[in-house]
Amino acid sequence: GAGVSQSPRYKVAKRGQDVALRCDPISGHVSLFWYQQALGQGPEFLTYFQNEAQLDKSGLPSDRFFAERPEGSVSTLKIQRTQQEDSAVYLCASSLGTVATYEQYFGPGTRLTVT
Amino acid sequence: GNSVTQMEGPVTLSEEAFLTINCTYTATGYPSLFWYVQYPGEGLQLLLKATKADDKGSNKGFEATYRKETTSFHLEKGSVQVSDSAVYFCALSEGAAGNKLTFGGGTRVLVKP
Repeated sequence: GAGVSQSPRYKVAKRGQDVALRCDPISGHVSLFWYQQALGQGPEFLTYFQNEAQLDKSGLPSDRFFAERPEGSVSTLKIQRTQQEDSAVYLCASSLGTVATYEQYFGPGTRLTVT
Repeated sequence: GNSVTQMEGPVTLSEEAFLTINCTYTATGYPSLFWYVQYPGEGLQLLLKATKADDKGSNKGFEATYRKETTSFHLEKGSVQVSDSAVYFCALSEGAAGNKLTFGGGTRVLVKP
C-alpha cells in the first residue's frame, strides 16, 4: 500500500514568507509526528498528534510554528515569517498505535530553504 | 532529558569488512532502542529495534544488543556490502507522547568495492 507522502518535496521561501507543509499519513494510522532535520544532523522531534488531538508540541522551536490535523488524517505544518534558521528537512512519520511496539513510518521529507 | 550519542563518521571500509557503529544513550526511564537507516535518496527506514534489556534486534545481517548496564546499543554487521552504504541513526523512545523518537546525529558509512 501507499506509504507516508509529503508535499511539496522542495520549497524555497524568502525570509519573512509563510509556508505550509503537508503530510498524508498511512491510512488508519493513529499517531502522527513531525520532525526537523538540519543538514548533517539527526531528526529532532517537533510535535505529536494522536488522531486529531495534538498531545505534545514541546519541540516546536517558536510560536511561528503551528501544526494541525483537523480530521485525524492529513496534517499541515505551518511556519510563519520564515527565517534562515528554519532551513531544514521536515519529516513526517505515522504509526498504527501509540506505543514503542508500533513502527514509525517516515515520509520522504520536505526540504525547506529560506533565502 | 533524553539523549543519544553515536560515533561520528564518515566510516569508510571495504566490502566484506566488519562494521561496528557505537551508540550510547541517556534516559530517565526504561527506553526502547532503535536503529534507523537512510539510503541515498530515500527516506528513513527502521532497521531493527529492542524493547528491553538483553534483547537483540536483527535484520539484513545487522545486529544490536540492548545493554542496560552500559547504556549502549552498538550496531554490528559481520560482512558489509556496497549496498550497505547509507547513514545510520540510533534512536530511543520512552513511550511518552505516543513514542516520540530521540535521535543521535547519524553515522555515514561508505563501503568501497
